[in-house]
Amino acid sequence: AQSVTQLGSHVSVSEGALVLLRCNYSSSVPPYLFWYVQYPNQGLQLLLKYTSAATLVKGINGFEAEFKKSETSFHLTKPSAHMSDAAEYFCAVSVGGSNYKLTFGKGTLLTVNP
Amino acid sequence: EAQVTQNPRYLITVTGKKLTVTCSQNMNHEYMSWYRQDPGLGLRQIYYSMNVEVTDKGDVPEGYKVSRKEKRNFPLILESPSPNQTSLYFCASSPGGSLPDTQYFGPGTRLTVL
Repeated sequence: AQSVTQLGSHVSVSEGALVLLRCNYSSSVPPYLFWYVQYPNQGLQLLLKYTSAATLVKGINGFEAEFKKSETSFHLTKPSAHMSDAAEYFCAVSVGGSNYKLTFGKGTLLTVNP
Repeated sequence: EAQVTQNPRYLITVTGKKLTVTCSQNMNHEYMSWYRQDPGLGLRQIYYSMNVEVTDKGDVPEGYKVSRKEKRNFPLILESPSPNQTSLYFCASSPGGSLPDTQYFGPGTRLTVL
């Protein structure tokens, strides 16, 4: 079984401040982890993914995430928030193998204040 | 342009009236999936398909049907819609292969069942 917990349904930061969105996973086998972003009234698009290569993963728009097996975490960070980063962010886990079942977290809404 | 399309984008219907939401991708992807998004619940997988004529249940399949007769199309069928199926629906596709990969999402279909 696999599951994802995103801590904080709503995170608010000031423009220029550090963005930290938390994701913890549960998986009985090595997982594949993803962060997706959803801008208002749009579908989801991939920010970055971890597929067992480097533990520090860089994505689009200056975001990065670090896979920490000992903490079962895959937190998303960005050093300096922009107004355009305001969106909902979803962490997702898959264990691969014979199917692609993808389990999403409940999402974190990021607000960026001027 | 590589894309996943869904139709209709918005639909208001009444309880019990059969409906189909179409999904089509032009990327020759093997894997396709349907999700529903509800506030506070994130995305939950309804059905997925690993290839033509191969489909399987996700986390919330009750009340839905799917078929995969062609590689590019993956329609979602609600044979007797009920108000609890009011939701935002997303179709997604992914290249396929032995490892989970990026899923490409359609723009969404907002369904209201009265």
